[in-house]
Amino acid sequence: QKEVEQNSGPLSVPEGAIASLNCTYSDRGSQSFFWYRQYSGKSPELIMSIYSNGDKEDGRFTAQLNKASQYVSLLIRDSQPSDSATYLCAVREGSSGYSTLTFGKGTMLLVSP
Amino acid sequence: EADIYQTPRYLVIGTGKKITLECSQTMGHDKMYWYQQDPGMELHLIHYSYGVNSTEKGDLSSESTVSRIRTEHFPLTLESARPSHTSQYLCASRSRGEAFFGQGTRLTVV
Repeated sequence: QKEVEQNSGPLSVPEGAIASLNCTYSDRGSQSFFWYRQYSGKSPELIMSIYSNGDKEDGRFTAQLNKASQYVSLLIRDSQPSDSATYLCAVREGSSGYSTLTFGKGTMLLVSP
Repeated sequence: EADIYQTPRYLVIGTGKKITLECSQTMGHDKMYWYQQDPGMELHLIHYSYGVNSTEKGDLSSESTVSRIRTEHFPLTLESARPSHTSQYLCASRSRGEAFFGQGTRLTVV
């Protein structure tokens, strides 16, 4: 059973702080990694994707991937109350047309003013 | 911009009724998915498809059925709705990379 693990939280940070969200995965053959944000009552929206080891930055968001440790993280700098949401980690396993996309259970982030 | 659409957005229906939730995408994606999600809870995969005439059951047992006659269309049908089916249903599609989600259908069975 391929697994994607996230701490359910909630992770509480004050406004302006750095929020660090973590995700581990079980399948060493995993190829691509994604972070989604889901506001309460809404559908998930893609915020970051990362495919190779290292860091990838987009505005206030930085995704970090370490395939040797099977670990992917999302850093949110200068956290805002509007960042309060559940963050889902998703992992693509396999490279064929039958690749699967597995979601973690999500980490709830609360940013207090 | 993702082009995946779900209808209806909200549905209240009586027990025992047959319902079909519609999902369409215009991106030409081969893979499509249906997820069930209760408020504050995780996504549960109930059905997926790798392409036309391909349908598979997901991790969560569901009394619903799906069909994939056309690439762009992946409807989900409940033959006899029950209060336990009350939930949000999310449709998603992808090609080789990330998945894009529709806005969801919030179903209430009374």
